Amino acid sequence: QVQLQESGPGLVKPSQTLSLTCTVSGGSISSGDYYWSWIRQPPGKGLEWIGYIYYSGSTYYNPSLKSRVTISVDTSKNQFSLKLSSVTAADTAVYYCAREDIAAAAVDYWGQGTLVTVSS
Amino acid sequence: QSALTQPASVSGSPGQSITISCTGTSSDVGGYNYVSWYQQHPGKAPKLMIYEVSNRPSGVSNRFSGSKSGNTASLTISGLQAEDEADYYCSSYTSSSTLRVFGGGTKLTVL
Repeated sequence: QVQLQESGPGLVKPSQTLSLTCTVSGGSISSGDYYWSWIRQPPGKGLEWIGYIYYSGSTYYNPSLKSRVTISVDTSKNQFSLKLSSVTAADTAVYYCAREDIAAAAVDYWGQGTLVTVSS
Repeated sequence: QSALTQPASVSGSPGQSITISCTGTSSDVGGYNYVSWYQQHPGKAPKLMIYEVSNRPSGVSNRFSGSKSGNTASLTISGLQAEDEADYYCSSYTSSSTLRVFGGGTKLTVL
């Protein structure tokens, strides 16, 4: 059973960089069948796709966040990471890491989510 | 404003059937069979319920079904149960630069 677990600070100051890591267990991040994604959900609001990375390092980002987002992968640790720079209060959200089945274009496994609050 | 349009809320009584719609454009829902549906209970991560318009993952009840007509996809839940009360989100592949889009979510209340 694949499991994903987010880790990182729950509080980030405005203008700083939000950094989260997702550790994958029960499966290899090097499988060619999946994208490894970040999705966020502001409190009380809907889901927003941030971007994804393939095990080879290829990435794709939501154009609305592209200038501030970096997603990277460490296959040796079975982890992938998110960095979001110049954060504001609007970036306060629950951040989910997730696995997307490429063939189905559907997210079949999600992490439990981690709340990141942007506040001074 | 979400790229896909869903009703904000729907409700039904136990045992009844309900349908949640998800309207997009020919660039997403109407153009590809890559519509998925997710169930989210309060404080929990979303769960995949339907993929590729009408396919159910292993373990998902056959009370959940999906379909599509033109630019609108639909999720139908039959034999409503109290445990079905949750938020439901649709998602689609899109040919636009965003590649993936979500609906705004629908709150299902079981009366």
